[in-house]
Amino acid sequence: DGGITQSPKYLFRKEGQNVTLSCEQNLNHDAMYWYRQDPGQGLRLIYYSQIVNDFQKGDIAEGYSVSREKKESFPLTVTSAQKNPTAFYLCASSSGWGELFFGEGSRLTVL
Amino acid sequence: DAKTTQPNSMESNEEEPVHLPCNHSTISGTDYIHWYRQLPSQGPEYVIHGLTSNVNNRMASLAIAEDRKSSTLILHRATLRDAAVYYCILRDDNTDKLIFGTGTRLQVFP
Repeated sequence: DGGITQSPKYLFRKEGQNVTLSCEQNLNHDAMYWYRQDPGQGLRLIYYSQIVNDFQKGDIAEGYSVSREKKESFPLTVTSAQKNPTAFYLCASSSGWGELFFGEGSRLTVL
Repeated sequence: DAKTTQPNSMESNEEEPVHLPCNHSTISGTDYIHWYRQLPSQGPEYVIHGLTSNVNNRMASLAIAEDRKSSTLILHRATLRDAAVYYCILRDDNTDKLIFGTGTRLQVFP
């Protein structure tokens, strides 16, 4: 079945460590997105990519990095520069006319 | 980026219609109006979207004001499964950028 897969579902990190969250889609979508959600809050855009080998910063890109080497993959690295990384991370993809398909999310906890 | 404003919460009884408002006074001509809903600990789910004309699908209806500065998501008969946070967002057709606000938490009572 077509869809978008995030892994891992739960991740624990020690302070000062970089972690990478995986996002894979087999929907043949050009656009992919990373959002962060804190408890009781809405989604905030971290990075998005409209096409392979290109991506743009969202509203809260500091402390995060991404790559888009393949159409189906858009991994997010949470670096040690991100001071408050504990959150729920959501990846999404979109076809040209705009409906977003979301993954199930990755919950990152810093110990 | 154009922003949206929604009430923090709304309540409804089961089987009644629900009208969820959204203001987007700074909308540009190329912005599409999208609605998503989110259940706890899940990713948001697409509900409906439109540009200028009212839209209907199996989940809901979208009524767009003539000046496009506001819109209303209409759930014709609320069910308990419709209890969720509903997000009204604008999609810039030039950049594919989608910015979510804080949404409206809908409670549905039996």
